[in-house]
Amino acid sequence: AQRVTQPEKLLSVFKGAPVELKCNYSYSGSPELFWYVQYSRQRLQLLLRHISRESIKGFTADLNKGETSFHLKKPFAQEEDSAMYYCALSALSTDKLIFGTGTRLQVFP
Amino acid sequence: DAGVIQSPRHEVTEMGQEVTLRCKPISGHDYLFWYRQTMMRGLELLIYFNNNVPIDDSGMPEDRFSAKMPNASFSTLKIQPSEPRDSAVYFCASSSRTGHYNEQFFGPGTRLTVL
Repeated sequence: AQRVTQPEKLLSVFKGAPVELKCNYSYSGSPELFWYVQYSRQRLQLLLRHISRESIKGFTADLNKGETSFHLKKPFAQEEDSAMYYCALSALSTDKLIFGTGTRLQVFP
Repeated sequence: DAGVIQSPRHEVTEMGQEVTLRCKPISGHDYLFWYRQTMMRGLELLIYFNNNVPIDDSGMPEDRFSAKMPNASFSTLKIQPSEPRDSAVYFCASSSRTGHYNEQFFGPGTRLTVL
């Protein structure tokens, strides 16, 4: 079965500290992984995709097939990074996304 | 483009009443998704459509839930009768295969409270 696990409901850090939001997935094939973000009073929006291998707002995420993980990282957190982050998986044979339960990131000044 | 439009933004109703949530996808998008968001379960896909046809409704919790897409620019999610456990934020999202693969664009959500 396809499943996405985000073990932390809440992650609190101080400004300037490194951040790692954990995401593990369960899927037998080759998935496509995403991170979506929801800032306060804004819509849920795509942050990054693993196939793009891009850095967005200082965030990166590497797909580790051996550990079935897709952790989101940023070396120095900013207050404006405070938001709800969702990891999502898409099987290549379907068009739907399977979301994790989300992690709320709080960055304190 | 105003993006995905949902109405109403907030709905408060009493148990047993019928609730209808509405969604207008982004023009030109051929996929439409309905999600439910709760603290305990996060974002759950309820149903999705491709070219107005329901493709996967395995996430629809019960027969009390139904969704329609009569045309490319409008979809409804109906709950009848509503129950307190249906209280959640319901999101609609749309996407297009001609754009970024699987990048879904979300609406602002409808916050439903069933008393």
